[in-house]
Order: sequence, then C-alpha cells, then structure tokens
Amino acid sequence: NAGVMQNPRHLVRRRGQEARLRCSPMKGHSHVYWYRQLPEEGLKFMVYLQKENIIDESGMPKERFSAEFPKEGPSILRIQQVVRGDSAAYFCASSPPVYNEQFFGPGTRLTVL
Amino acid sequence: AQRVTQPEKLLSVFKGAPVELKCNYSYSGSPELFWYVQYSRQRLQLLLRHISRESIKGFTADLNKGETSFHLKKPFAQEEDSAMYYCALKSLGATNKLIFGTGTLLAVQP
Repeated sequence: NAGVMQNPRHLVRRRGQEARLRCSPMKGHSHVYWYRQLPEEGLKFMVYLQKENIIDESGMPKERFSAEFPKEGPSILRIQQVVRGDSAAYFCASSPPVYNEQFFGPGTRLTVL
Repeated sequence: AQRVTQPEKLLSVFKGAPVELKCNYSYSGSPELFWYVQYSRQRLQLLLRHISRESIKGFTADLNKGETSFHLKKPFAQEEDSAMYYCALKSLGATNKLIFGTGTLLAVQP
C-alpha cells in the first residue's frame, strides 16, 4: 500500500490563477480530510469528504475554495483566483470506513507569486 | 472553543536527558487526544493516542483532565527522536476532524 498520495508536491501560481491539488487516499479508505498549514502555524482543518459527499466544510474559506471527492479518481482541492495569502502547505489525510486514525500524505506546497 | 496549545516552539536537549513536550487543551466533553510526529523529509504520522495507553518508541503521554494536559514524555532522549511533534484533539461530533497545536521542534544534541 503506497500510502496517501498527493500531487503535485510543489505548485507555483501567479496571483489570479487557479490551483488544483490532488489527493489519492490509501486503498480501501473512503474518507478524505484536507488541512492547511500556514507558515509558523499548526495544521488547520478545512474539509472532510466521503465519496461524492461533503460531510464537514466548516474550515473552508467561504469564497474561492472548493473540494470534491468523486466516485472515481482522486479528491481535488480547488482554489480559484489565488492570492499571496493562499501560500501554504496543504495536507490530505484519509481514513477507512470504520475510523481508527488518519493517515497523512506528504503535502503540496503552494507558492503564490 | 476547542483549542490545543503547545507553548514551546523549540525544545533542545542532550542525548540521554529526559524529555517533556507540553500540550494543553480546551474542550467541553471527553476529549480524544493524539500525538503526531514528523521526521525530517517524512510525512506526518501518528505516534500515540491517549485511549491506547501504550508506549511507542519509549514515549508515553497521560491525559490529565484536571490540568487539561496531555504532555509527551520520554525518560532518555535519542538523537533519532529529533523531529516536529504535534498534539491534536479529535473534535466533537461525527466529523473526526483533528484540531492541531502549533507544534514543538525537538532537537536532541549528541
């Protein structure tokens, strides 16, 4: 089992562009969580998804951010019209249907120029 | 409000010295607490959780509800323990989201 995969590992965007971050959960895991880590801060929860459903998006900014976890394929975190304040490390985690722990991916480091 | 506080950004100790990484929490109800570790160039991984009451790599952590603390301890630090340590709280409700502290960098000097 390769573990949680995230790509790209590093992403550079100019202000106003779109960023798409992908997360492939571990085999057999149907729950995905996205966290954001700003410089000098801890990880902050953004959104929790199950296949085709958003369960909790209480940590998502109201505008420009969206997430999906389709029936087939990876989970996508999409940031439209990026601003410099979006520069951060974005981590994805997955867990099995019966929760025991969250397994984290290596993260995507987004830099907005 | 649910919150996790790790007061130390950096803890530097010598090899063989005892280690205590502090974690305090704010939570209404029965908390579920975790310690995660991130070694250099590796992903975040679970070190231990309070409900297991186990010792991993010589580390232990006891939940003290009176002091709302979950400090991580090891009697004799090793150089390979050098890493970033995060304390985390599992949120109320069914969403399983984790609330993280800001982390403590443990540096074990030879």
